[in-house]
Amino acid sequence: QKEVEQDPGPLSVPEGAIVSLNCTYSNSAFQYFMWYRQYSRKGPELLMYTYSSGNKEDGRFTAQVDKSSKYISLFIRDSQPSDSATYLCAMKGLAGRRALTFGSGTRLQVQP
Amino acid sequence: EAGVAQSPRYKIIEKRQSVAFWCNPISGHATLYWYQQILGQGPKLLIQFQNNGVVDDSQLPKDRFSAERLKGVDSTLKIQPAKLEDSAVYLCASSLVGSPREAFFGQGTRLTVV
Repeated sequence: QKEVEQDPGPLSVPEGAIVSLNCTYSNSAFQYFMWYRQYSRKGPELLMYTYSSGNKEDGRFTAQVDKSSKYISLFIRDSQPSDSATYLCAMKGLAGRRALTFGSGTRLQVQP
Repeated sequence: EAGVAQSPRYKIIEKRQSVAFWCNPISGHATLYWYQQILGQGPKLLIQFQNNGVVDDSQLPKDRFSAERLKGVDSTLKIQPAKLEDSAVYLCASSLVGSPREAFFGQGTRLTVV
């Protein structure tokens, strides 16, 4: 079993739709949860970061973490064609030396 | 502020040949990571450096992959000999010590082994 599971999509939505992206994980030691956006032929860029459980909002983006269910979500409101990309969830534990563990990514296409 | 620089951007080699990738991290970032991203998958850590010391290389196939970080700044990743399954994007990232949530990635080197 992979430590982090993510639906690969592709997910196609019309412009203006609300998008929900999700990841589940098995390692209860994970405490930091991140979402990266990766455009085609580019490196990942950090979109959202959350520590432990709860919600965090940044403009059109909302990240949610439910540690009891080992489930994290990213919501995109009023989606735009420029949001078309692959979204990667990533997480790590408290031990400072460990790098991130990534999900496989969900490819999102927002149709104009 | 300059980002993480990687070269080359693309490389095509035949199996059993050798190849090397170069990474220059963001100035002042002591931690450097090499990730392998196979098509349709998320990045997988190969090796993590802090300054010029190795922190984690547990997933590095040491029979064919090697990496070094010169003077705690630039880094090179080498594959010798390459296999077909090594075809992937090799991403370099850097961060301040103890802050992988702020890891900044380069654009990657796309390797095709034929």
